[in-house]
Amino acid sequence: NAGVTQTPKFQVLKTGQSMTLQCAQDMNHNSMYWYRQDPGMGLRLIYYSASEGTTDKGEVPNGYNVSRLNKREFSLRLESAAPSQTSVYFCASSVSSGAPTDTQYFGPGTRLTVL
Amino acid sequence: ILNVEQSPQSLHVQEGDSTNFTCSFPSSNFYALHWYRWETAKSPEALFVMTLNGDEKKKGRISATLNTKEGYSYLYIKGSQPEDSATYLCAFFLSSNTGKLIFGQGTTLQVKP
Repeated sequence: NAGVTQTPKFQVLKTGQSMTLQCAQDMNHNSMYWYRQDPGMGLRLIYYSASEGTTDKGEVPNGYNVSRLNKREFSLRLESAAPSQTSVYFCASSVSSGAPTDTQYFGPGTRLTVL
Repeated sequence: ILNVEQSPQSLHVQEGDSTNFTCSFPSSNFYALHWYRWETAKSPEALFVMTLNGDEKKKGRISATLNTKEGYSYLYIKGSQPEDSATYLCAFFLSSNTGKLIFGQGTTLQVKP
C-alpha cells in the first residue's frame, strides 16, 4: 500500500501560470481533502470531497478548483497562480464512515513557490 | 468562526525534561479531538483520537487528557528525547457528514540533546 501519494513534490510557477496538483489514495477511502500549510497558521482546509462525486469549499477556497476524478483521485487546480499561493499543500484521505474517530491520512506534500 | 487554539506556539526543552502543551476548542457540539505528530519533512501522522470527557490516552512516553466541558486537551511528554522534536497538532472533529477536522496552528517542540 502506497497510502496517499502526491505529485509533484516541488514546483515553481510564475504569477499567472496554471497548474494541477495530483493526489491519489489506495486505501479505498471515501473522503479526500486538500490543505495548505503556512508558517504559524497550521493546516487550513481548501476543498474537500466527502464522497465520490461531491466536492465542497473549505476555509480558504479562493483561487482554487478541485476535481474528484474517481474514488482514488482528487486534484487541486490553480488557474492563475499568485504569490499568496506560495505554500506547502497536503492531500489527505479518510474512511469517513461518519465516525468521529476516523483518522485522516496525509500525503507527503507539495512545496509550491509562486514568483 | 470555529477556533482551535494551541499554546505555546513553540517550546525548547533539554533532553530528559518533561513537558506539556494545550489545545483549546469549542465545548459545544463535541464529537472528538484528534492529535497528530508532524516531523519536519514528513507528513502529519495520527497520535490519538479522544472522544470522552476525562479520557486519557497513552503511547510510550506521550499521553493526552481531555476535558470536553471546559474545552481543552493537554498533551504530555515525559522525559523528552531528541526524536520527540516535531510539531504537534490538535484537530477538532467538526461533522460526521464530511469528516472535516479543524486544526490548531500547532506547537513546535525542539528537544536539545
